[in-house]
Amino acid sequence: DIQMTQSPSSLSASVGDRVTITCRASQSISSYLNWYQQKPGKAPKLLIYSASSLQSGVPSRFSGSGSGTDFTLTISSLQPEDFATYYCQQSYSTPPSFGGGTKVEIK
Amino acid sequence: QIQLQQSGPELVKPSQTLSLTCAISGDSVSSNSAAWNWIRQSPSRGLEWLGRTYYRSKWYNDYAVSVTSRITINPDTSKNQFSLQLNSVTPEDTAVYYCARDQRWYFEVWGQGTTVTVSS
Repeated sequence: DIQMTQSPSSLSASVGDRVTITCRASQSISSYLNWYQQKPGKAPKLLIYSASSLQSGVPSRFSGSGSGTDFTLTISSLQPEDFATYYCQQSYSTPPSFGGGTKVEIK
Repeated sequence: QIQLQQSGPELVKPSQTLSLTCAISGDSVSSNSAAWNWIRQSPSRGLEWLGRTYYRSKWYNDYAVSVTSRITINPDTSKNQFSLQLNSVTPEDTAVYYCARDQRWYFEVWGQGTTVTVSS
């Protein structure tokens, strides 16, 4: 199975900051990488699929990049509603697997 | 707009069977392009995919190796829903369970989640 590792596990940031979250796969997954946002008590919400494609309705301050084993989610200007936990997920092979999450907290 | 509505008991006794249902609106469980998944989340295991059912001229199932001996996911075309059965549960199966739809292995629609506790 493919292991997904996210870093950092948590970060503190201020409104307006640029935030970058990293995800690394245990083997090459091409561009089969997806990002989710989860708020407390809610289901995860798809933000980015296929490494860099923005899901419909998701603000353009969210962007994704990378291929192979190393990927990045960037929030260009953090907004109050962006404080949440973010997960990456590989869709290259079965079983699909998730990273451990990055919690973005208010500084 | 596609929506998934979960139902089922939130407390299950050890060794018994966990059963959840996910009702689909805005799409069909028999869709030739979608798959219907169960995913769970716990502090110890994080987000864990359990399995899926999908129709491509006939019905298929995929299951996670960790639960393959205990899990059944069934479609119900008459009610446009699908179900999860997990047998012989232990406290380690305590988690929030989600149903989710995928078309290309990313999960774009999720149910609301059901917190299931395994306890006597």
